[in-house]
Order: sequence, then structure tokens, then C-alpha cells
Amino acid sequence: SYVLTQPPSVSVAPGQTARITCGGNNIGSKSVHWYQQKPGQAPVLVVYDDSDRPSGIPERFSGSNSGNTATLTISRVEAGDEADYYCQVWDSSSDLWVFGGGTKLTVL
Amino acid sequence: EVQLVESGGGLIQPGGSLRLSCAASGFTVSSNYMSWVRQAPGKGLEWVSVIYSGGSTYYADSVKGRFTISRDNSKNTLYLQMNSLRAEDTAVYYCARLDYSGSYNDYWGQGTLVTVSS
Repeated sequence: SYVLTQPPSVSVAPGQTARITCGGNNIGSKSVHWYQQKPGQAPVLVVYDDSDRPSGIPERFSGSNSGNTATLTISRVEAGDEADYYCQVWDSSSDLWVFGGGTKLTVL
Repeated sequence: EVQLVESGGGLIQPGGSLRLSCAASGFTVSSNYMSWVRQAPGKGLEWVSVIYSGGSTYYADSVKGRFTISRDNSKNTLYLQMNSLRAEDTAVYYCARLDYSGSYNDYWGQGTLVTVSS
């Protein structure tokens, strides 16, 4: 089955840029989606189809995808961005949805 | 406004059964792909099952043969029938709507906790 690999944690100071990676075999050929989850809350979609943002999501959130790595970039990080972030793809070969293990973003 | 409200969670003994419900409003369940996603305590998200608008269903290997996803069009409600429950099924279960392409979850419920323990 398809595997997505994320770093367990990323730390960044307020105002700086956070980059969270999601690795997978030839992930660049798939559409990658990103979710933000704060403690005790349901996940929220922040980026879909590699780089599109749902309405209401700040422009500070952006995404890219190429080769074997997709990246969620959060510019001008704020304290409120502290959360767990998950990447997700649909594996067409198995008709299964796959999540990465999640990355805890800490704002120093 | 799209809303998803799960119910039916609780404490159940190993080997027992439970049925989760997800009442939807603001859209038609039968016209969309719908999924269940779970999260064990302190762990990440795990996709569990999906039902297509056409009725086809798919399951994660971890629940195949034990869980059944279904819907009641008249009640605009999604279900997850869980049988032969194990301790490792303990998790918050979220229902979520998939986008029109069936690729990502655009709306999520608040989740319902299932605890499997003797």
C-alpha cells in the first residue's frame, strides 16, 4: 500500500516560514491535500490539489508537489498556527485514501 | 450550511458491535462520496471506509470484513456498523464529506468516541 512520510515535528519562530514535507513514491503524480488539526477539534482542510486554498484559509498557507516530496508552506507563522498537520492522497491503484503520520508544528 | 453530526459512540466490550450515525444537513448524502476517518488517542488520522454516490464501498484492510458503511437516503444519514470490535478500534470516529472528485474531505463532523474495553 502507498505510504506517506512526514517529520514528527517542526518548530519555527513567530513571523518566520514553516515548511512541512510529505514524502511518497512519485507523489508528484498525485494530488496532495493538507489538513490542520488543533487539540480537541476536527481536522480542517487548508490546501487541496497540491496548492489550492479553500475559502477562508489565509494566503499564508501554500503548497507545492514535485518528484517524491510535497510541501506545505506557512508564511509569517502566527501562534494560532500551532497544530498538527496531515497530508493525504487518494491511491488510485487501490481505491484507498492515505494519510501521512502527521507533523506537530510548534511556534516558539 | 453544511453540517455533519456523529452519534452512537460509547464504551463497548471486545467482540461487541456498535453502529455509528452521521446526520447530514445542507447537502444530500446520496449525491456525494462520504467517508469515515478515525483517530486513536494520541495518534494520527486513519482512513476507515468510503461509500461512493453510486453505492460502491471500500474499506481499510484493518476493518475489512468487520465494518460496514451504509446510508439512509430518506434520513440523509451515513452509518458505520462495527462488529467484532477490538481494543485497537478505540478511537474518535469522524464522518466526512468528500469533494465532487472524491479526492479530499472538505467537511468534517465533530467526531464520536468509541472505546473498546472490558
